[in-house]
Amino acid sequence: EAGVVQSPRYKIIEKKQPVAFWCNPISGHNTLYWYRQNLGQGPELLIRYENEEAVDDSQLPKDRFSAERLKGVDSTLKIQPAELGDSAVYLCASSLEGRQNNEQFFGPGTRLTVL
Amino acid sequence: GNSVTQMEGPVTLSEEAFLTINCTYTATGYPSLFWYVQYPGEGLQLLLKATKADDKGSNKGFEATYRKETTSFHLEKGSVQVSDSAVYFCALTLSGGYNKLIFGAGTRLAVHP
Repeated sequence: EAGVVQSPRYKIIEKKQPVAFWCNPISGHNTLYWYRQNLGQGPELLIRYENEEAVDDSQLPKDRFSAERLKGVDSTLKIQPAELGDSAVYLCASSLEGRQNNEQFFGPGTRLTVL
Repeated sequence: GNSVTQMEGPVTLSEEAFLTINCTYTATGYPSLFWYVQYPGEGLQLLLKATKADDKGSNKGFEATYRKETTSFHLEKGSVQVSDSAVYFCALTLSGGYNKLIFGAGTRLAVHP
């Protein structure tokens, strides 16, 4: 069974440029999460989807970040415009449901460098 | 607020040494506790978990016991291998809530032959 797929694996852009990350969760998983992991820190949740609905985006910087999950499967996270402080690893995870203790499966992440 | 604190790394050990990575938490209610591992170039993987006080999670020779009295969930392994070299993250989810993981900063383990 394929795991969570993310692309690209690495991205280098200049500040003020836009960037997008794509995630394909494990088949059948209704819940999808985007986390940001700054260097030397643990991941922090940005947004959670139940099917196509964003049910928690309280940590998403909405002035420059946006996300979508069309048809409740794939998801895209976008930053426009990017800032130097956005350099981080962006992780996607999925679980069967969003209830506590449903195991989350993580993708390999996209490492973003903003110059 | 709710948080997880881990011992700082890196932790450097010789093969077959005993491993302890300390983890303490602050949380309301009755959280569930997890250890995740991140091998070089790979995504985070669930290593073990415990969902209530005094539960012991175990996997691949690693163990951790949920101690509510000390709000701790220390990771242990009796004999580490070079292949255990990775970054280890302690995390929690809150009771009564949904599946939001709150992570510690991670502890890098390096095991040399």
